[in-house]
Amino acid sequence: QKEVEQDPGPLSVPEGAIVSLNCTYSNSAFQYFMWYRQYSRKGPELLMYTYSSGNKEDGRFTAQVDKSSKYISLFIRDSQPSDSATYLCAMRVTGANNLFFGTGTRLTVIP
Amino acid sequence: DTAVSQTPKYLVTQMGNDKSIKCEQNLGHDTMYWYKQDSKKFLKIMFSYNNKELIINETVPNRFSPKSPDKAHLNLHINSLELGDSAVYFCASSQGGSGTEAFFGQGTRLTVV
Repeated sequence: QKEVEQDPGPLSVPEGAIVSLNCTYSNSAFQYFMWYRQYSRKGPELLMYTYSSGNKEDGRFTAQVDKSSKYISLFIRDSQPSDSATYLCAMRVTGANNLFFGTGTRLTVIP
Repeated sequence: DTAVSQTPKYLVTQMGNDKSIKCEQNLGHDTMYWYKQDSKKFLKIMFSYNNKELIINETVPNRFSPKSPDKAHLNLHINSLELGDSAVYFCASSQGGSGTEAFFGQGTRLTVV
């Protein structure tokens, strides 16, 4: 069993829809939770970063962490065609630098 | 002024060859990494260096040897390439400890034929 599980999709939504992306994990020591966006043939770029439980909002993006359920989410409001990419969740433990990634969810926003 | 740059971007080579991938970061970070992304997009860490010192060495064949001449550079040398080594290799950097999260390069797409 992988430490981080993520539905690979693909996920197709119409422009303007609310998108929900999720990951579950098994290691309760994870304290730092990230979402990366990866466009085709590019490297992952950091989108959101959350420490421990709670919510964090940045423009149209909201990251949620529920440590009791070992579940994290990324919500995208008013989705745009430019949001079409693969979204990777990642997490790490305190004091360690290496990230554990989910397999990524491929999102397509249709104009 | 790219933050994390890798060369080459594409690499096609025959089985048995030896090849190197170079990485440089200009972010002033003290920690650098190599990650491998397989055909299913799964990213997994291979190595991590902090201030030129190896701190993570995951279960990677010893045909893979990282080298860090200084904290801004981390190169990856691969001996005796195999078909299964075909993947995208990403270099990344971060500030160690509770500093910034990892910034990734654009990747090197390695194809072994």
